[in-house]
Amino acid sequence: GESVGLHLPTLSVQEGDNSIINCAYSNSASDYFIWYKQESGKGPQFIIDIRSNMDKRQGQRVTVLLNKTVKHLSLQIAATQPGDSAVYFCAENTLGERALTFGSGTRLQVQP
Amino acid sequence: SQTIHQWPATLVQPVGSPLSLECTVEGTSNPNLYWYRQAAGRGLQLLFYSVGIGQISSEVPQNLSASRPQDRQFILSSKKLLLSDSGFYLCAWRQSEAFFGQGTRLTVV
Repeated sequence: GESVGLHLPTLSVQEGDNSIINCAYSNSASDYFIWYKQESGKGPQFIIDIRSNMDKRQGQRVTVLLNKTVKHLSLQIAATQPGDSAVYFCAENTLGERALTFGSGTRLQVQP
Repeated sequence: SQTIHQWPATLVQPVGSPLSLECTVEGTSNPNLYWYRQAAGRGLQLLFYSVGIGQISSEVPQNLSASRPQDRQFILSSKKLLLSDSGFYLCAWRQSEAFFGQGTRLTVV
């Protein structure tokens, strides 16, 4: 079936550097994408979303880029902080589907 | 504002015992509700979703069941737990993005 997956299982960055977490999706009909952050022992928290009619969206220190041509989604975190250390999931949805489909996650480790 | 409550936070149960995890949502009506399971170091697997009272859709065959007795209440159950039921269970409700509870860590021993 259709799937959402991530390129890198673990990403280690230095504090203050920018982080880029990537995600590939296979369903060309996907029209809504979300990034979640999950800290150890907690439920995922919404970070930022983007719809398929956009290719870029910015939040506070985060930017999501969507490339529909190659079915690729990325999350950029500026000036990464120790508090950014967590597992990051991408998720996608297709209009009419009830549930989000999640990728397998990338662990971000921020080195002081 | 909307909030989602999930309990208990941790649970240790023997094999063959029953299970009941409860999830309630506040601040919204007729939400779409979801149960996910997350194995250690893995992604989220959708187990059940519900679009209304008494309406349950199962995504994967398993030893678990779900019920929605009230609009903002979603219950995950099992009659007899298996070792493979161990995991981190997450309840969520959704408008566009999904909002998650804090999860229940279930260990079957």
